Amino acid sequence: ETGVTQSPTHLIKTRGQQVTLRCSSQSGHNTVSWYQQALGQGPQFIFQYYREEENGRGNFPPRFSGLQFPNYSSELNVNALELDDSALYLCASSVVVVGGEETQYFGPGTRLLVL
Amino acid sequence: AQSVAQPEDQVNVAEGNPLTVKCTYSVSGNPYLFWYVQYPNRGLQFLLKYITGDNLVKGSYGFEAEFNKSQTSFHLKKPSALVSDSALYFCAVRDMIRGGADGLTFGKGTHLIIQP
Repeated sequence: ETGVTQSPTHLIKTRGQQVTLRCSSQSGHNTVSWYQQALGQGPQFIFQYYREEENGRGNFPPRFSGLQFPNYSSELNVNALELDDSALYLCASSVVVVGGEETQYFGPGTRLLVL
Repeated sequence: AQSVAQPEDQVNVAEGNPLTVKCTYSVSGNPYLFWYVQYPNRGLQFLLKYITGDNLVKGSYGFEAEFNKSQTSFHLKKPSALVSDSALYFCAVRDMIRGGADGLTFGKGTHLIIQP
């Protein structure tokens, strides 16, 4: 096990609602990244937080937002849910090192179903 | 832009035989390359990475991968497959120049099935 935890494990929402997913990073890790994994696809990068600031973002609209807290836990918020948001959401924590060669360690994910 | 291709959706290998899962990549600069494994209803588990140095990288559970810059490939290998190796394998890349701000770019994954 990686020491990265996520909650809840499963979630069902209806279109138009808002959802908050939570992640607790591995001890000593100061960076958290979020990924969306649609069924049958590889994970897609949503964004990354370092020192409580977003420092990188993939091709996701602004209704996907996040927070990182001083204890390095993190939230992913999605507003105005759409059916295509149904996916497994993965959180990964890491330690930033010079050169950006950090290894990301993933949590078990939260499976979101939007009806 | 960075990209990863895993040309095989599924690889079938008999237990005890060597296995290879293929991966090719594209980045603007030099790559950081990773292999992860995903078991059903689980997150991704780190296997190994290439940063620099020796082209043959050894990782967890007897897996290794060979970096080939001229062919832009990073194939995953294991000398003798186990039934318990059956899982979904992902190759991922990050451009060394861009650093972590772009996140990892993953391939679509390859289902590895080891037959007893």
